[in-house]
Amino acid sequence: QVQLQESGPGLVKPSETLSLSCTVTGGSISSFYWGWVRQSPGKGLEWIGSLSYSGSTSYNPSLKSRVTISVDTSKNHFSLRLSSVTAADTAVYYCARVVVGWFDRWGQGTLLTVSS
Amino acid sequence: EIVLTQSPDTLSLSPGERATLSCRASRSVSNFYLAWYQQKPGQSPRLLIYGASNRATDIPDRFSGSGSGTDFTLTISRLEPEDFAVYYCQQYGSSLTFGGGTKVEIK
Repeated sequence: QVQLQESGPGLVKPSETLSLSCTVTGGSISSFYWGWVRQSPGKGLEWIGSLSYSGSTSYNPSLKSRVTISVDTSKNHFSLRLSSVTAADTAVYYCARVVVGWFDRWGQGTLLTVSS
Repeated sequence: EIVLTQSPDTLSLSPGERATLSCRASRSVSNFYLAWYQQKPGQSPRLLIYGASNRATDIPDRFSGSGSGTDFTLTISRLEPEDFAVYYCQQYGSSLTFGGGTKVEIK
């Protein structure tokens, strides 16, 4: 059974770059697409971006200028970097497996707070 | 960008009743590329339906999805206590967007 686990700093200062990692266990990161989704406190879901095991990416147009998603197949994990963060980026960040275009496996989520 | 509008915002029903949730797209969603998720407080979303009408693994058959083009529906035939949650639709026909959610609460 594939499982995903997010890891990150928990707190980031405004204007800095947020970095999160998602480790995949119970299966290979190859042969699938993977993605990041976030949820601001009390709000709905927002897709951030997705990538394939080969590294090809697609991003939410509203975040594209600040987002980089990358994969490390040797470590079976993929990462999210979001630059120039503000309080509006405070959210629970989920990593998930993408099948065609839907998300069939999700991590438990990690809360990222932007504050000085 | 395809905008998904879910209605109603909140649905107040009793266990055993039928729930009908709507998801309307600002333009046609190609190839039935629409999914539904359930999210309970403090939990990650759970995939229920993909391809507009296909149940995901281990999803009970009281959950069903239908629709095409711009109008999609999630139906829960008889609400069980564990079904009270927030439901989101998501399209993946053009980029990827989520609806704002419908909360199904106990009446």
